[in-house]
Order: sequence, then C-alpha cells, then structure tokens
Amino acid sequence: AAGVIQSPRHLIKEKRETATLKCYPIPRHDTVYWYQQGPGQDPQFLISFYEKMQSDKGSIPDRFSAQQFSDYHSELNMSSLELGDSALYFCASSFWDRGVSGANVLTFGAGSRLTVL
Amino acid sequence: RKEVEQDPGPFNVPEGATVAFNCTYSNSASQSFFWYRQDCRKEPKLLMSVYSSGNEDGRFTAQLNRASQYISLLIRDSKLSDSATYLCVVNMRSSASKIIFGSGTRLSIRP
Repeated sequence: AAGVIQSPRHLIKEKRETATLKCYPIPRHDTVYWYQQGPGQDPQFLISFYEKMQSDKGSIPDRFSAQQFSDYHSELNMSSLELGDSALYFCASSFWDRGVSGANVLTFGAGSRLTVL
Repeated sequence: RKEVEQDPGPFNVPEGATVAFNCTYSNSASQSFFWYRQDCRKEPKLLMSVYSSGNEDGRFTAQLNRASQYISLLIRDSKLSDSATYLCVVNMRSSASKIIFGSGTRLSIRP
C-alpha cells in the first residue's frame, strides 16, 4: 500500500541558509500535518492543511512557511535556519470523515532529518 | 497545563510483566483517541484507536473514560519487542482535525 513519502530523508544546512522539505500524502487523503521532533522530545505540531487550505497552526516559527499544492503534496519552507531547527520533521496525512472507521488516523512518513551546522 | 498529558516514565519492566499507561486530555469535546508507538529515530506508527466501549487487540487493551477525560493502554505478557515510546494522541475537534500528541512514555522491557 502507498505510504506517506517525504524527501529528502536527510539534509544538512548551515546557519542562515534555507531548506525545503516535501511531503506526498497517501492518495485520497485530504489532510496533511507537519510535526517537528527534537531529540528526546515528543512531536510538536507545526501546521496542517485540509483540502489545500491551512486548517490549523501550531508552534511554527515565522521563519517557516508551508503550503499544499493542487496535487495535495505539501512543502515546508524554512529560512534563516538556526541551530535549534535541527530536528526530525514528520509529515502525516489522514482523511477527515466523522464516524467513518479509519478516518482521522494519522499515517506518518519516515521523516526528514535536518541538521543545521 | 498541557492539552494531553502522559505518565512520564520511563517504565522498566521484566519480560512477561503487565504494564499500564495513562493519558489525560483537557478538552472535553475531544473526539478521537489513539495510541501510537514510536521506535528510536523512526516515525510514530498507529498501535490502536481507542473506542468508547474499550477495545482489545491481542495483548493490548485500550480504554476510554470520557467522564474523567483519560485513556489507558494495558500491555499484557510484555515482550522485548514492546520496548518503545508510546504516544497518546487526541483529536481535539469534531469539525476538523486538531491532533495533539502527549509527550510519550518510554517503555523498556528487560529479559
């Protein structure tokens, strides 16, 4: 079965550089989420999109932006990178349907590991 | 107060033991509840959804108490392969998804 695809899997950047992470959700999933997980921490919600519109915003820094495209893939853009941005970035997707079995269950991609030097 | 709180752990138990985790949530309108498992440096993976009537999947039992706003996970006859971090996940909304993770409980099973 198709899963959530994230790219790149590993990325090394220097401070003040920019980085772009990509996420391809499971086909027919209408919601995409981005999470940031630092070492030894739980996943922190950054932002989500439902049907290509931003649906919720979490602790996403102003230096970051994201969007979902017409083909439902999403990109997380990070600028002016800081050392503290080094983390594992997960994308997850789900489909929203109240009362339907399997709805709202997040399936995660394998993550993109960003290292800022 | 965090929206989703879990037992801090870590839990270190012998193989074959029974272990239970609790998780409390702050929003009484929360609609969906899940337990995820995360292995070191890997993505979280769904362990089981939690239903109002409680549900069981092999050695794993999940229960929901809406009145007290907590969910629990019970693992019986624990195996070495159960060693992982267990994340409590709550969907806070009914009309859209606002999915919040607990901080996770680390479980280590020793031989």
